[in-house]
Amino acid sequence: DAGVIQSPRHEVTEMGQEVTLRCKPISGHNSLFWYRQTMMRGLELLIYFNNNVPIDDSGMPEDRFSAKMPNASFSTLKIQPSEPRDSAVYFCASSLIQGAAFFGQGTRLTVV
Amino acid sequence: DAKTTQPNSMESNEEEPVHLPCNHSTISGTDYIHWYRQLPSQGPEYVIHGLTSNVNNRMASLAIAEDRKSSTLILHRATLRDAAVYYCILRLNNQGGKLIFGQGTELSVKP
Repeated sequence: DAGVIQSPRHEVTEMGQEVTLRCKPISGHNSLFWYRQTMMRGLELLIYFNNNVPIDDSGMPEDRFSAKMPNASFSTLKIQPSEPRDSAVYFCASSLIQGAAFFGQGTRLTVV
Repeated sequence: DAKTTQPNSMESNEEEPVHLPCNHSTISGTDYIHWYRQLPSQGPEYVIHGLTSNVNNRMASLAIAEDRKSSTLILHRATLRDAAVYYCILRLNNQGGKLIFGQGTELSVKP
C-alpha cells in the first residue's frame, strides 16, 4: 500500500479564494482524521470520521471550513474563503478504529 | 478530553537507552495508549500502542504501569535519527477513537 496520500503537497493561494485539500486513506481503514499544525498551536485535530460518518467536528475553527468523506477511499477539506491565518500544514491520517494511525506527508498551505 | 503529561524536553547520548515518561491519570479502562513521533519537517509517525500489557516492536518498547496511569516509551539504543518530538496520546474509546495530540517531548540525541 502506498500509505495515506495527500494532494497537493504545496498550495499558495490568495486571500478570499477557495482551497480544497484531498486525502486518500489506506485501503481497509475505517477512521480518517484531519489535523492542522502551526508553530503556535501545534497539532490540532479538526475533524474525524468513522466509517465515512463525521464523529466530531468540534475542532473545525469556523464555518469557512468544511470536510466531506463521500466514500471510504476519499476525503476533502475545504476552506472558503481562505484567510492568511489559515496558513499551516494540514495532515490527513487513517487507521482502523483503535488501531495505529498513519499520516500522509501533509499539505503546506500558504494564503497571501 | 483525557490528558497526558510529558516532559517538554529530554537529552540522550547516542547508543544509550532512552526512557520517555508519560502520565495519564484520567485514563479510562478502554482507552488505548498510543505513541507517535515527528521528525523535523515530516508528518507524525506511529511508534507503538498498547492497552494493558507491555508491548515490543522493532522501533521501541512500551511499558504500561499496572494501574495504567502512566507509561514509558523505551528506545533501546538511541541513534541520531531518533531525535524528534515524541507524543504520548490516549485514544478515547468512548469518543469513537478520538486522537488528540499534546505538546510532546522533544528528544535530542548527542553523538
